[in-house]
Amino acid sequence: EAGVAQSPRYKIIEKRQSVAFWCNPISGHATLYWYQQILGQGPKLLIQFQNNGVVDDSQLPKDRFSAERLKGVDSTLKIQPAKLEDSAVYLCASRSSGGANGELFFGEGSRLTVL
Amino acid sequence: AQRVTQPEKLLSVFKGAPVELKCNYSYSGSPELFWYVQYSRQRLQLLLRHISRESIKGFTADLNKGETSFHLKKPFAQEEDSAMYYCALRGNTPLVFGKGTRLSVIA
Repeated sequence: EAGVAQSPRYKIIEKRQSVAFWCNPISGHATLYWYQQILGQGPKLLIQFQNNGVVDDSQLPKDRFSAERLKGVDSTLKIQPAKLEDSAVYLCASRSSGGANGELFFGEGSRLTVL
Repeated sequence: AQRVTQPEKLLSVFKGAPVELKCNYSYSGSPELFWYVQYSRQRLQLLLRHISRESIKGFTADLNKGETSFHLKKPFAQEEDSAMYYCALRGNTPLVFGKGTRLSVIA
């Protein structure tokens, strides 16, 4: 079974530029998450999708961050314009809909450096 | 509000010594607790969950609702246990993670 795929693995941009990250979840997984992990901290949820609908985006800084999952499979997370404090690893995770205790499967992450 | 606290950023133990990684949580309802692990150059993955009450790689964790704790334990540490360990809680929102504890097992 293929795991969660993310790209790019690394991205360096200057502040005020824009960046986009892509995630392909495990086939058949209805739930998809984007987490932000700043160095030295645990992952922090940005947004949760169930199929192509948003379940929770309460912690997404909507003035600069946006995410979509138009066909209920792949997802894109965009930052525009980027700030220095956005430097972090952006983790995508997916979970099957079977059972409330379903395990989250994580991608390798996309490391963003904002200069 | 849901909160997970891992008081130790770094824990160093000798090979063969017992290990206890501490996790305390704050949640008014019935929580689901998990331990996730990240080995060097690998992705974050589930180690164990409280509802399964299982031992994985020699690790166990018991949910103590009175002390609101979910400490991770192993009687004899191995070098391959060196990794980042994250305690996580699912209440009425998606998984909330602690800041993590880096376990270093010294040969």
